[in-house]
Amino acid sequence: GQQVMQIPQYQHVQEGEDFTTYCNSSTTLSNIQWYKQRPGGHPVFLIQLVKSGEVKKQKRLTFQFGEAKKNSSLHITATQTTDVGTYFCAGDYGGSQGNLIFGKGTKLSVKP
Amino acid sequence: NAGVTQTPKFQVLKTGQSMTLQCAQDMNHEYMSWYRQDPGMGLRLIHYSVGAGITDQGEVPNGYNVSRSTTEDFPLRLLSAAPSQTSVYFCASSPVGDEQFFGPGTRLTVL
Repeated sequence: GQQVMQIPQYQHVQEGEDFTTYCNSSTTLSNIQWYKQRPGGHPVFLIQLVKSGEVKKQKRLTFQFGEAKKNSSLHITATQTTDVGTYFCAGDYGGSQGNLIFGKGTKLSVKP
Repeated sequence: NAGVTQTPKFQVLKTGQSMTLQCAQDMNHEYMSWYRQDPGMGLRLIHYSVGAGITDQGEVPNGYNVSRSTTEDFPLRLLSAAPSQTSVYFCASSPVGDEQFFGPGTRLTVL
């Protein structure tokens, strides 16, 4: 079935270092969404990428969608302690329902 | 706007008991869904609905029932709780195909 693979599962960084998480699908996506979940909290929407090769930036966060619309990445420049949490990608395969297939997430810890 | 609300926040059940997790949204969203989140497993879709009177199964529907009698409410019923259903449950709503808004979650333990 449809599956979204996300790596790495965990990432420990020193404050100020960069961080990247990657998502990959075996089949073409209609769009991909990214969510952040703080410890003990609920997932919160960050961004949606729709177009092939799309790149979007939110302050220190850069999101990319691959040319084939099968992979995506989230890059954080100069991490801060406020970036701590789990980052999920969620693939939409274009069904009329709008169901999302979530990756297993990358848990980011930042050492001050 | 309260957004998406869920009750209860915490629940402990004994094996075999039944209960209903409540979910409500005040954003007039067509799409509502239930996920369970287990360590290392991400979010897995249990059931979803694209409008009042319409529900369908997701990836892990066994042991759960849903109904959607109104646009606002989407309760999740556990028919006979099992320890394997110990998890954190999130309800979400959205316009179809758009960003999903999640509730605060229900932490369920089945003994």
